[in-house]
Amino acid sequence: SQQGEEDPQALSIQEGENATMNCSYKTSINNLQWYRQNSGRGLVHLILIRSNEREKHSGRLRVTLDTSKKSSSLLITASRAADTASYFCAPEFQGAQKLVFGQGTRLTINP
Amino acid sequence: DVKVTQSSRYLVKRTGEKVFLECVQDMDHENMFWYRQDPGLGLRLIYFSYDVKMKEKGDIPEGYSVSREKKERFSLILESASTNQTSMYLCASSFSGARMRGYTFGSGTRLTVV
Repeated sequence: SQQGEEDPQALSIQEGENATMNCSYKTSINNLQWYRQNSGRGLVHLILIRSNEREKHSGRLRVTLDTSKKSSSLLITASRAADTASYFCAPEFQGAQKLVFGQGTRLTINP
Repeated sequence: DVKVTQSSRYLVKRTGEKVFLECVQDMDHENMFWYRQDPGLGLRLIYFSYDVKMKEKGDIPEGYSVSREKKERFSLILESASTNQTSMYLCASSFSGARMRGYTFGSGTRLTVV
């Protein structure tokens, strides 16, 4: 079925560095959402970017959306140990009132 | 603090039992969803509901049913639990359309079927 595909599958960086995760999808969207999941817990919504938006910020998070390339990226600046988690992108495809999640990017921040 | 509450954090059931997983939200959301999450497979949508008494099949509905008699409550039912239904189950809710602000997830129920 349709879903966003995150890249890379795993990312390990040093505390203080920036982390960039990418998401690609195949058909037109209403919006695209990013979520974080700490180990064994539910997902937490981070940012929603609508199809007519190109960039959105929330604190240390920056999300971009390129609908012509059908791709999005999540940038976490000045990473902290607490950012260690799995990150999921979830496009809401046109005509579908539901989100389909990929397998996520597992981010590890090393102290 | 708005939230989605799942009735159990951990659950152990026997093969063949009928299992009810309950989910309650206090945000007056129209949409509610049940996902299961398994290593290497990510989150997969089981069922969702746009409104009271409405339900739609997701990607993996086999072996499950749902009930939404009230707006705030969405129940997932395993009619006859099997070991391949051992998983983490996640409930979520959201507004729809222009009011969409993202999904709110519960903390999850880790179900083990023995």
